[in-house]
Amino acid sequence: RKEVEQDPGPFNVPEGATVAFNCTYSNSASQSFFWYRQDCRKEPKLLMSVYSSGNEDGRFTAQLNRASQYISLLIRDSKLSDSATYLCVVNTGLYGSSNTGKLIFGQGTTLQVKP
Amino acid sequence: DTGVSQNPRHKITKRGQNVTFRCDPISEHNRLYWYRQTLGQGPEFLTYFQNEAQLEKSRLLSDRFSAERPKGSFSTLEIQRTEQGDSAMYLCASSLVRDQPQHFGDGTRLSIL
Repeated sequence: RKEVEQDPGPFNVPEGATVAFNCTYSNSASQSFFWYRQDCRKEPKLLMSVYSSGNEDGRFTAQLNRASQYISLLIRDSKLSDSATYLCVVNTGLYGSSNTGKLIFGQGTTLQVKP
Repeated sequence: DTGVSQNPRHKITKRGQNVTFRCDPISEHNRLYWYRQTLGQGPEFLTYFQNEAQLEKSRLLSDRFSAERPKGSFSTLEIQRTEQGDSAMYLCASSLVRDQPQHFGDGTRLSIL
């Protein structure tokens, strides 16, 4: 079983639609969580960090459920420019001298927004 | 540009050749990471440096791979006797502290003929 699992999609949606991506992680010691966005043949770029209380950044809302080990990303009023791959990312265990802060990535979920 | 810089952007080489990639992290970042990404997959961790010390290596990093970070500044990743399976995007990332998001460079895309 992969440490971080995502539905690879692709998700094909019309402009203006609301779309939700889900992600599960296997290590209960995971301490910090992120969504990164990756455009075709480009590097991953941080979209937003994910907090237990949930957080919102404009049209983007991220939620974390530690009990279920589940992370979500909601995109409202989707734009053509939102077309990309969205990577769910986990940093497992921040405490203790042995932790290096390496990131564990999901496979990515591809979103295609159509006019 | 004060972001993470990687070069070359692209490298095409014949199987069996050696290749070396360079990463210049954001100047005040003491934590540097190398990842590898193949088509359709998320990046996978290869190795981590804190300043000049290499503190973790993934099992993905066979003995043909070596990484250095002399003086805790730029880092190099060398692959010896390249194989077809080494074809991938090699990404470098840096951060200032452990729980801060990592910033990625543009990556080096390696193609083995």
